[in-house]
Amino acid sequence: QVQLVESGGGVVQPGKSLRLSCVAPGLTLSNYALHWVRQAPGKGLEWVSFISYDGSTKYCADSVKGRFSISRDNTENTLYLQMDSLRPEDTAIYYCVRDSTPGFHPWGQGTLVTVSS
Amino acid sequence: DIQMTQSPSPLSASIGDRVTITCRASQSISTYLNWYQQKAGKAPNLLIYGASYLQSGAPSRFSGSGSGTDFTLTISSLQPEDFATYFCQQSYSFPYTFGQGTKLEIQ
Repeated sequence: QVQLVESGGGVVQPGKSLRLSCVAPGLTLSNYALHWVRQAPGKGLEWVSFISYDGSTKYCADSVKGRFSISRDNTENTLYLQMDSLRPEDTAIYYCVRDSTPGFHPWGQGTLVTVSS
Repeated sequence: DIQMTQSPSPLSASIGDRVTITCRASQSISTYLNWYQQKAGKAPNLLIYGASYLQSGAPSRFSGSGSGTDFTLTISSLQPEDFATYFCQQSYSFPYTFGQGTKLEIQ
């Protein structure tokens, strides 16, 4: 069964940076477009960012535009989310998800990011 | 941005009930509508894609319908493992947006 595994979450002060990673043991990520989706504690799902299979096309939500950057290294089979100028409202579980067009499947287990002083 | 609105929330039901959750888009999205189930403490899981196609491995008691702006997710006979939160999502245009979720509770 395909699995995505996120890492890099933790507690960080407002204004600081964090980089999340996502790998998929046994799956060649370079064949797929990928997304980051987040979920604040007790809240709903918010789509964050998209990257095409080759990294040539990227989109991100207005709430993170100019602060977050999605990238991928297909030689390392890894997806990244660089998060700068973090705010308390960025506190959430961040999920890495494969674009299985037209749905999102599978999802990783998520990594928790807490922005707090 | 396309707004997705789910109803009802929450929803109380009993084992064996037939339940329907509704999702409405703020503009037409054809059939670019997906449904996810999320159990407590777990990641979401794709149930229905393209408005009416059952994801591999999902139980056949789940079904989806609709097109344009109005969609429904139906569970034909509730089982104990179905009590969870359900989200709709449009994949018609970026930013992809989710409904606020419908928590299905035991009555």
